[in-house]
Amino acid sequence: DAKTTQPPSMDCAEGRAANLPCNHSTISGNEYVYWYRQIHSQGPQYIIHGLKNNETNEMASLIITEDRKSSTLILPHATLRDTAVYYCIVRTGTYKYIFGTGTRLKVLA
Amino acid sequence: NAGVTQTPKFQVLKTGQSMTLQCAQDMNHNSMYWYRQDPGMGLRLIYYSASEGTTDKGEVPNGYNVSRLNKREFSLRLESAAPSQTSVYFCASRPEGGEQFFGPGTRLTVL
Repeated sequence: DAKTTQPPSMDCAEGRAANLPCNHSTISGNEYVYWYRQIHSQGPQYIIHGLKNNETNEMASLIITEDRKSSTLILPHATLRDTAVYYCIVRTGTYKYIFGTGTRLKVLA
Repeated sequence: NAGVTQTPKFQVLKTGQSMTLQCAQDMNHNSMYWYRQDPGMGLRLIYYSASEGTTDKGEVPNGYNVSRLNKREFSLRLESAAPSQTSVYFCASRPEGGEQFFGPGTRLTVL
């Protein structure tokens, strides 16, 4: 199963873009990349997902490299409420999600 | 809609005791999941159920059993709890082609 590697922590100034990288060099052609976040100890919350193309929704943008070995989650204007642990996940098959250890993002006032 | 609900919220067990963690969803989702999260770690998949009547092992199934009682409910059973099973347990459900929705978690301590 493909694994993901993320930096353990990052800081970002409030109002600036937060760029969170993820390495998934062993990803297979049909495996999706998902991003979730976990605020305090709550259940994780879905952010965005993609297969090959870049994706954007009301929360974030997902940039996937052409070789699909890495991706970047972009929060365009980070707020204090975006402070959380962000998980980059590879979905293997239809049902199996492999979580990494996540990046703890701290948004600074 | 209540979404995904889990009971109990907290539980303390002694080594060797058994218990069942309950999970229910009211969103008519086909697939359901059980994860555990150890301190400072990401979530690890224990079992999942693609649809009513089916269950499959995830990354860390040893020491656990599951039952997909009906479309709404997916329970996780610890037959003989061990201190290594101290963790936070999350249940999730997912519609076809959609993303996972997580419950609030059950914090389990095994002494």
